[in-house]
Amino acid sequence: QKEVEQDPGPLSVPEGAIVSLNCTYSNSAFQYFMWYRQYSRKGPELLMYTYSSGNKEDGRFTAQVDKSSKYISLFIRDSQPSDSATYLCAIKRSGGGADGLTFGKGTHLIIQP
Amino acid sequence: KAGVTQTPRYLIKTRGQQVTLSCSPISGHRSVSWYQQTPGQGLQFLFEYFSETQRNKGNFPGRFSGRQFSNSRSEMNVSTLELGDSALYLCASSEQPTGETQYFGPGTRLLVL
Repeated sequence: QKEVEQDPGPLSVPEGAIVSLNCTYSNSAFQYFMWYRQYSRKGPELLMYTYSSGNKEDGRFTAQVDKSSKYISLFIRDSQPSDSATYLCAIKRSGGGADGLTFGKGTHLIIQP
Repeated sequence: KAGVTQTPRYLIKTRGQQVTLSCSPISGHRSVSWYQQTPGQGLQFLFEYFSETQRNKGNFPGRFSGRQFSNSRSEMNVSTLELGDSALYLCASSEQPTGETQYFGPGTRLLVL
């Protein structure tokens, strides 16, 4: 079983829709949860970072973490064509520990104008 | 502040050759991590350097190595290139070692023929 599972998509939705992107992870030692956005031929860009279970909101983006289910989500409200990109979830074991980020394979999102 | 820069952006090599990639972190960031991104395996952690010391290494063969200089700039080297080393190599920097908020460069796209 992979440490982080993420549906690769593609996920295609009409402009203005609410988008839900999800990841599951297998190890309860993971404590930190990030979402990155990657446009074609660019490096990943950090969107959201959360530590605890619950919700964190930033503009049109909401990150949700459910540690009991080992499930993390990213919601995008009022989706725009410029949101079309690959979204990667990333997790990490402990703060400051000698450990890299573990990434999901990414979900390719297409917002149709 | 300028972002993470990586050079070169594109590289073509042949099997058996070696290659050196360079990364300059965001000013003030002392931690540099390297990742390999391929369509099949996604983003995988290679290693991390902090204050010129390698703190952690991912599950890659010894052909992959790196170093960090006193100005926090980092290089990674791949010796005896194989076709499977064709990938996007990404560098990320953070203020603290293996920080949760890592900022990625645009990557170096390596093609091995």
